[in-house]
Amino acid sequence: DAKTTQPPSMDCAEGRAANLPCNHSTISGNEYVYWYRQIHSQGPQYIIHGLKNNETNEMASLIITEDRKSSTLILPHATLRDTAVYYCIPQEWGGGNKLTFGTGTQLKVEL
Amino acid sequence: DTEVTQTPKHLVMGMTNKKSLKCEQHMGHRAMYWYKQKAKKPPELMFVYSYEKLSINESVPSRFSPECPNSSLLNLHLHALQPEDSALYLCASSPRQDLEAFFGQGTRLTVV
Repeated sequence: DAKTTQPPSMDCAEGRAANLPCNHSTISGNEYVYWYRQIHSQGPQYIIHGLKNNETNEMASLIITEDRKSSTLILPHATLRDTAVYYCIPQEWGGGNKLTFGTGTQLKVEL
Repeated sequence: DTEVTQTPKHLVMGMTNKKSLKCEQHMGHRAMYWYKQKAKKPPELMFVYSYEKLSINESVPSRFSPECPNSSLLNLHLHALQPEDSALYLCASSPRQDLEAFFGQGTRLTVV
């Protein structure tokens, strides 16, 4: 499984875009990049995933570099409720996957 | 129904007790997971069931015993636990093992 590196913490002002980076330089060709978040004392929540094209849904956008060695999760207008730990997880399609969480990024959205 | 339901929400048990955690989903998902999460740490995978068969056991001590009676239900049987087993136990399910997972809110377990 690919290893990931994420900054331990980030701050963002409410209403501004939050850009959360993830380095996954050892990702293999058939591994997708999944993003989850965990709000304090709740179960993790799926956000978005992608393979090589940029993706957008109602929660966020995902930008994956052309070489696929890194990605950025974008929350376009962060709110206080987006304060959470964000996890970037490579996951192989069609395999007997382990959904393995790294240490993630603690995003704090402030007024 | 798009929820994963875990019961109980809180559990306090003695080291000699036997208890069970329950997880239920009615989304037709065929993969189900147990995780353990200690304070300020990421969730750690314990077990994965795929099509009601144990697919992954992450070398979990035998005092934790998973069971998948049917495709909607996942249990975690607990026996002779230690205080260090106190944690948040999370259940998740996904349509199959390589797709996005949906998590329950967890059972907060305290072993005394």
